[in-house]
Amino acid sequence: GNSVTQMEGPVTLSEEAFLTINCTYTATGYPSLFWYVQYPGEGLQLLLKATKADDKGSNKGFEATYRKETTSFHLEKGSVQVSDSAVYFCALISSGSARQLTFGSGTQLTVLP
Amino acid sequence: DAGVTQSPTHLIKTRGQQVTLRCSPKSGHDTVSWYQQALGQGPQFIFQYYEEEERQRGNFPDRFSGHQFPNYSSELNVNALLLGDSALYLCASSLGGNTDTQYFGPGTRLTVL
Repeated sequence: GNSVTQMEGPVTLSEEAFLTINCTYTATGYPSLFWYVQYPGEGLQLLLKATKADDKGSNKGFEATYRKETTSFHLEKGSVQVSDSAVYFCALISSGSARQLTFGSGTQLTVLP
Repeated sequence: DAGVTQSPTHLIKTRGQQVTLRCSPKSGHDTVSWYQQALGQGPQFIFQYYEEEERQRGNFPDRFSGHQFPNYSSELNVNALLLGDSALYLCASSLGGNTDTQYFGPGTRLTVL
């Protein structure tokens, strides 16, 4: 079956530090990959996505590259801000399914001023 | 353009009771998926509705049931509530049966005492 493994949290960084959150996946076929963000007390917001190998998704300074050879989709940001503090979820939709998302367990990021 | 809306925001029930949660999809969307997010976990897929029919179901018991109306809004019903049903219930909408991008509502926080 499909699964997503995320780097264990929580992660605490100082403002302007470099961020990497690791994500690897197992899936049948050729999945689409996503990063969602959840701010305290809110639902999920789509941060970025990539639909095929070597695609790079980017948004708000965050980026992630679909690496089929390593089955990875690591999230990076060059300079984090306090407002980036949230829980980040890696997810996939496998080709051929009814488009159900399979999520990782989430990584809590706290950015200190 | 209204996003995905869910009601109620919060709900407290006791074991054995039944509950109904409601979701209105983003304008123009016709597909609704439901997810359960336990505290500190990633969302788990419950089921998806398209054209008023359940298209796919995750690993949830028959106590969880749903419905989609002609206007594409949806309900999630849970019977014989257990303490373990306490979670954030998220609704996501998308366009057509094969669209990757799902938009999430703010969720309904269910507490079972």
